[in-house]
Amino acid sequence: NAGVTQTPKFQVLKTGQSMTLQCAQDMNHNSMYWYRQDPGMGLRLIYYSASEGTTDKGEVPNGYNVSRLNKREFSLRLESAAPSQTSVYFCASSPDKNYGYTFGSGTRLTVV
Amino acid sequence: EDKVVQSPLSLVVHEGDTVTLNCSYEVTNFRSLLWYKQEKKAPTFLFMLTSSGIEKKSGRLSSILDKKELFSILNITATQTGDSAIYLCAVSTDSWGKFQFGAGTQVVVTP
Repeated sequence: NAGVTQTPKFQVLKTGQSMTLQCAQDMNHNSMYWYRQDPGMGLRLIYYSASEGTTDKGEVPNGYNVSRLNKREFSLRLESAAPSQTSVYFCASSPDKNYGYTFGSGTRLTVV
Repeated sequence: EDKVVQSPLSLVVHEGDTVTLNCSYEVTNFRSLLWYKQEKKAPTFLFMLTSSGIEKKSGRLSSILDKKELFSILNITATQTGDSAIYLCAVSTDSWGKFQFGAGTQVVVTP
């Protein structure tokens, strides 16, 4: 099925560990996004990539890095995980600025 | 600072009731407003609104935008238990497709 695929679905990390969240879309969308969702705070943009080869910071980029590997893939890296990064992470894509997002199913990350 | 505020934060209704959800915004450069429904996992797209006064409808759901008063409402008529979800409002404020999300409204429909 066409859509946005995120891996892993669940992850538990110890403080200070690193990991990469993977995201791939097969809809030929230009733009891709990483959001985190915390209770009572809605979705907050971490990083986005308006097109292949470009990335930019969103509202809450500290502690994260991203790579737009190609048009399909957009990964999010936590270099040194902290408990404050415990959250549900969503990747999303859109064909261009005039359309809404298609979201992946999310990654539930717990940092202990 | 751009702001999107949804109200109420949560509500519980009985099947068959009508629900009205509010989304107000204060942004510097409004482009569009979107509504999403989030059940257990990923948000799914409901409506995109760009023009004032034009109602979008899909079955029992409808939405309208008021760009003068800076708000949108989402109506759900004849609610069903399957309408139980978090409803998210998001406003686009730039040319890159970034959206500012509200905190969401949790709707619980009881049988």
